[in-house]
Amino acid sequence: DAGVIQSPRHEVTEMGQEVTLRCKPISGHDYLFWYRQTMMRGLELLIYFNNNVPIDDSGMPEDRFSAKMPNASFSTLKIQPSEPRDSAVYFCASSLGGVGVTDTQYFGPGTRLTVL
Amino acid sequence: AQSVTQLDSQVPVFEEAPVELRCNYSSSVSVYLFWYVQYPNQGLQLLLKYLSGSTLVKGINGFEAEFNKSQTSFHLRKPSVHISDTAEYFCAVSGLNRDDKIIFGKGTRLHILP
Repeated sequence: DAGVIQSPRHEVTEMGQEVTLRCKPISGHDYLFWYRQTMMRGLELLIYFNNNVPIDDSGMPEDRFSAKMPNASFSTLKIQPSEPRDSAVYFCASSLGGVGVTDTQYFGPGTRLTVL
Repeated sequence: AQSVTQLDSQVPVFEEAPVELRCNYSSSVSVYLFWYVQYPNQGLQLLLKYLSGSTLVKGINGFEAEFNKSQTSFHLRKPSVHISDTAEYFCAVSGLNRDDKIIFGKGTRLHILP
């Protein structure tokens, strides 16, 4: 398997623009997670899905952020409008989820977002 | 709710020397514990995890960690490090419920000195 695939790997945009990050989880994995990593706050869980259904979005910072999972093989994280403080590395991860949280999470390579 | 503290943000160590990366957690209930590693420009990958049973857990790449309930610690150790171990290491904790979230520490950057 190719692992978790994220695109784009790097994104540079201007404040106010819409940004869409994409993720393809490992085939057969039931859980999908979106994380944000910054120097100040470390690694934060934004939202996670189980069988395409959002389970916990309490980590989403504000209404400018939204995530969808229209099918088992694709998810998006959208920021609209973007702000400079959204600059971070965004990771997608997936897991089998057969026993819930103890299942190993497999991380993608991340998308480095810079908002000017 | 759980929390995890990694006491050292950076640890320099000479090649072939032993290393210990410290992790303490806080929780009012039983927990699962994890160590993940992030190599430069890559995503995280699991090193090892403690779910139950033996308190000494062995992971990949020669790493091991010991769960100490009385001290609420889960320190990561390796007897002899290599230059390829240069990475950031994250300790993480979760509750025992199926849909509990994993809470990550801020990370410890391991610098291997030649």
